[in-house]
Amino acid sequence: AQSVTQLDSQVPVFEEAPVELRCNYSSSVSVYLFWYVQYPNQGLQLLLKYLSGSTLVESINGFEAEFNKSQTSFHLRKPSVHISDTAEYFCAVTLNTGGFKTIFGAGTRLFVKA
Amino acid sequence: SAVISQKPSRDICQRGTSLTIQCQVDSQVTMMFWYRQQPGQSLTLIATANQGSEATYESGFVIDKFPISRPNLTFSTLTVSNMSPEDSSIYLCSVRPGQGLPLHFGNGTRLTVT
Repeated sequence: AQSVTQLDSQVPVFEEAPVELRCNYSSSVSVYLFWYVQYPNQGLQLLLKYLSGSTLVESINGFEAEFNKSQTSFHLRKPSVHISDTAEYFCAVTLNTGGFKTIFGAGTRLFVKA
Repeated sequence: SAVISQKPSRDICQRGTSLTIQCQVDSQVTMMFWYRQQPGQSLTLIATANQGSEATYESGFVIDKFPISRPNLTFSTLTVSNMSPEDSSIYLCSVRPGQGLPLHFGNGTRLTVT
């Protein structure tokens, strides 16, 4: 069965510190990988995606994620966080088969402290 | 990118009643997906709705409880039937504009069952 594991439910960090949010997946078929962000009381927004090509993908607000096929991971990183990055982050995989359904991880709450 | 309008945005319903949620997309899409996000939790796929065929339900979700309609390529409804307080959640409609592309989400319907 396919699954997505986000190893940390909560990550508190100080402003301007680096952060890594971990994501591992399990799938018997190839996948597309995504990170979504949900700010307080808002809907889900796509943060970044890996479809193919370069394994390092970047977002416009300084986040990056690297696809590691051998470790089946897609960890999200940012070298220096801001207060405004406080949100829930969801890792997701879309199965490249059949109905192309998307499975979400449990989410990681990033809390940036001043 | 697809723009999704979901109605109602929120509702408070009594136990034993039913609520129908509407999802309108501004472009034609083959697949529409219905998710549930229970308080403080991740997204769980309820079902995949293809136009012209019956919806495909995930484990733990049944058609009698969550009937879905998909009359055309831009519209779908999800009904939450015979509601109980455990059905209190945010229900989200989503679409994928093309193969491998990320999901786009509506703003969700926040349902409270009393």
